[in-house]
Amino acid sequence: AQSVTQLDSQVPVFEEAPVELRCNYSSSVSVYLFWYVQYPNQGLQLLLKYLSGSTLVESINGFEAEFNKSQTSFHLRKPSVHISDTAEYFCAVYSGGSQGNLIFGKGTKLSVKP
Amino acid sequence: GAVVSQHPSWVICKSGTSVKIECRSLDFQATTMFWYRQFPKQSLMLMATSNEGSKATYEQGVEKDKFLINHASLTLSTLTVTSAHPEDSSFYICSAGEVGGASTEAFFGQGTRLTVV
Repeated sequence: AQSVTQLDSQVPVFEEAPVELRCNYSSSVSVYLFWYVQYPNQGLQLLLKYLSGSTLVESINGFEAEFNKSQTSFHLRKPSVHISDTAEYFCAVYSGGSQGNLIFGKGTKLSVKP
Repeated sequence: GAVVSQHPSWVICKSGTSVKIECRSLDFQATTMFWYRQFPKQSLMLMATSNEGSKATYEQGVEKDKFLINHASLTLSTLTVTSAHPEDSSFYICSAGEVGGASTEAFFGQGTRLTVV
């Protein structure tokens, strides 16, 4: 069975500081990996995804994540955060099968302070 | 990306009544949609897989008679919470787009916050 572990439930950080949100997964097969962001009282929006190819993937708003197969990790990073990045971030994994459902981590709440 | 619309975005109902939540794929056809439930400070938990034209597949521990799912068309799935109780208060989110199928990501609705009083 697949599982996703987000090690930090909350990450407070000051504006313009770098941030890393950690995500580890377990699966015996190849996976697709995703980061979703949830702003208050809203649904989930895809931030970035790894399907294959380059292990470093980037989003349009400055986030990046690196797939590390040996460490089974997919940590999310941003070199300089903004107040508007305050949200909850979910790591998710899909490992195949006829069903398309994703397995989510418990989420990390990023709070950016001025 | 594709758009999934969920309605209503929030609803308050009395205990014992039923509430219907709609999930629509606006610009693509979805033979499969997924319903998730999110408890406060917790992750999304898959409740059921909605299959167009056939019965939904429920995850273990989810009462199918309480959470009725209907997927009557390729663009609409509905979740009805029957005889709602305060413990059913939660954030419900639907998604469409099969990661392993034609698309490579799941598209989520904006969620419905249900409060049962």
